Amino acid sequence: SAVISQKPSRDICQRGTSLTIQCQVDSQVTMMFWYRQQPGQSLTLIATANQGSEATYESGFVIDKFPISRPNLTFSTLTVSNMSPEDSSIYLCSVDQAGVGETQYFGPGTRLLVL
Amino acid sequence: AQTVTQSQPEMSVQEAETVTLSCTYDTSESDYYLFWYKQPPSRQMILVIRQEAYKQQNATENRFSVNFQKAAKSFSLKISDSQLGDAAMYFCAYKIRTGTASKLTFGTGTRLQVTL
Repeated sequence: SAVISQKPSRDICQRGTSLTIQCQVDSQVTMMFWYRQQPGQSLTLIATANQGSEATYESGFVIDKFPISRPNLTFSTLTVSNMSPEDSSIYLCSVDQAGVGETQYFGPGTRLLVL
Repeated sequence: AQTVTQSQPEMSVQEAETVTLSCTYDTSESDYYLFWYKQPPSRQMILVIRQEAYKQQNATENRFSVNFQKAAKSFSLKISDSQLGDAAMYFCAYKIRTGTASKLTFGTGTRLQVTL
C-alpha cells in the first residue's frame, strides 16, 4: 500500500490563526482526499484535490476556510484558516491505491487543538 | 445519497471469543465497494477488509471475515479468536465503483472492547 506521511502530527493553535497541514505520498496518485474527524465522531470528507485543477469541496466546506494546494502528484496541503475551537479535530489525508480495487489508504492524521 | 449505519456504538468481547459488528447501507447503485477500517487509539485508519459488491463470495482476511448480503444491504464484520490488539473503533465505509477515485462514506463507528 501507499506510504503516506503528514506534518505536523499535532499542534495547538490560538484562535484566529491559520495552520497548514502537509501530506506526502511515496507514489504518484491522481486524487488526494482530505477528511476531518471531530472529537468522538466519524470521518467527513472536506474536499478532493486533483493535481492541476481546483479542489472540489463537499457541502458545508468552503475554499476560504480550507484552501487546498496540489502542486504535484505526490503532495498536497490543507490550510485551516481563521481557526476557532470548533476546528479542533483530526485532519487526515488519504489516497486511492491504484490496482487495489480503489481502496483508500490514510495518512497518520494531524491532531489539531484550537484554544 | 448513500448512507452507512452502524447501530452498535459499543461492543465487548472476551479474548479468544468471536464477535460480529453490524453495518447496513443504503444506495441505489449496483456496483460499489464496502470496507471495514480499524482506528486504534493512535488514530491511524487501518484497512481491515474490502468487499466488491459484484462478488458473491464473502471476503476473508485471516481472523476477519464479512457476511455480505447485497439484497439486504448488510455488511457485517466477524472477528474470530479476538485479541487484545483488536480493541479499537471500527468504521464501516462505502464507495461507488467508478473506475476513478471517489470518496468514502463512513458509518458512525463501533467501539470494540476486548476483555481478558
